Amino acid sequence: DADVTQTPRNRITKTGKRIMLECSQTKGHDRMYWYRQDPGLGLRLIYYSFDVKDINKGEISDGYSVSRQAQAKFSLSLESAIPNQTALYFCATSSSGAGWEPQHFGDGTRLSIL
Amino acid sequence: AQSVTQPDIHITVSEGASLELRCNYSYGATPYLFWYVQSPGQGLQLLLKYFSGDTLVQGIKGFEAEFKRSQSSFNLRKPSVHWSDAAEYFCAVGTGRRALTFGSGTRLQVQP
Repeated sequence: DADVTQTPRNRITKTGKRIMLECSQTKGHDRMYWYRQDPGLGLRLIYYSFDVKDINKGEISDGYSVSRQAQAKFSLSLESAIPNQTALYFCATSSSGAGWEPQHFGDGTRLSIL
Repeated sequence: AQSVTQPDIHITVSEGASLELRCNYSYGATPYLFWYVQSPGQGLQLLLKYFSGDTLVQGIKGFEAEFKRSQSSFNLRKPSVHWSDAAEYFCAVGTGRRALTFGSGTRLQVQP
């Protein structure tokens, strides 16, 4: 089983719909992240969470919200989806510590908004 | 603000040839640098990382990277490319928020 699991893997929906992307992890990591990937732009940070009560905006948080339901679960919501939110979304996790711990990525959710 | 530049969008090499993927970063403090690889339909896999110490770091799958502070570069190399190395490669710098700033990626194509 994957250590970082994203559901769904693919989703097609219409403009204005509310969508939730889910991420769960079995790595026991405290830190969780949501990124989106667009062609030619690499990955950009949407939100990140260092623990259940610590949630922070990333560089492109407008139009998105998140919920950290438990240490192992971090969901991303699009309250009213718009076409330019069509992208590949990745969840990542890392352990806490004084140093820098590498991030571990899920396989992504491909989201298309018509 | 930190930034990462990967100047080559697409590179094609022949199988068995050497490879170098370029990465330049801009970051005010000591950088934490990473290379990730993304195969089609999959997430990102960590190839190697540089935190401090020896400026030549070894990674998985036969890759290595060299940190050059004077050039603000962290180029990825492999002596002999295999067809299975075809993928997209991302350079990233770790920020004080413990998040990553990524480059735009380099897509590697390997010719037989």
